[in-house]
Amino acid sequence: LAKTTQPISMDSYEGQEVNITCSHNNIATNDYITWYQQFPSQGPRFIIQGYKTKVTNEVASLFIPADRKSSTLSLPRVSLSDTAVYYCLVGAGGGGFKTIFGAGTRLFVKA
Amino acid sequence: GAVVSQHPSRVICKSGTSVKIECRSLDFQATTMFWYRQFPKQSLMLMATSNEGSKATYEQGVEKDKFLINHASLTLSTLTVTSAHPEDSSFYICSAREGDRFDTEAFFGQGTRLTVV
Repeated sequence: LAKTTQPISMDSYEGQEVNITCSHNNIATNDYITWYQQFPSQGPRFIIQGYKTKVTNEVASLFIPADRKSSTLSLPRVSLSDTAVYYCLVGAGGGGFKTIFGAGTRLFVKA
Repeated sequence: GAVVSQHPSRVICKSGTSVKIECRSLDFQATTMFWYRQFPKQSLMLMATSNEGSKATYEQGVEKDKFLINHASLTLSTLTVTSAHPEDSSFYICSAREGDRFDTEAFFGQGTRLTVV
């Protein structure tokens, strides 16, 4: 399983765009990149998933360079409610897979 | 979207007793479910993989006789913490995927806060 490295914490202000980068240097050919959000005392919530280039949904964008050794989660115009821990996960398809969490990034959004 | 429900959301038990936590996939079938433990300010730690109709696969360092996992149906997995001690107090979370691939979204339960007194 590819190991991921993220910043431990980040601060931002309401209305700003936040970019969280995750390094996964030993990502395998069939690995996907997934980001989750977790609020205190809640289970993680899926944000976005991608394999290459750019993926966008209603809450975030995911940028993946050609070498796929890193990825950047982009949160447009954050609000106080976006204060949470964000996890980057890398893994492959197929039965018996595991979802292993790294340390995650604690995002603090200030007023 | 698909929903995974955990019950109870919080439980307090006396040291030495056993506690059962249920994880249900409400609108999809889950061949595989995962159980995690999370201590304050830490990440989720995978404890075991629960396989429907077969024995669970435990991660290194997790005592299988202490954390009993049963996956009797495609929609229900249970985690029983046996002879609980205060150090077992933690936040326990289950997850399941609708498909059997990593490129399908994993849904997580709301978690169970276990406090052993």
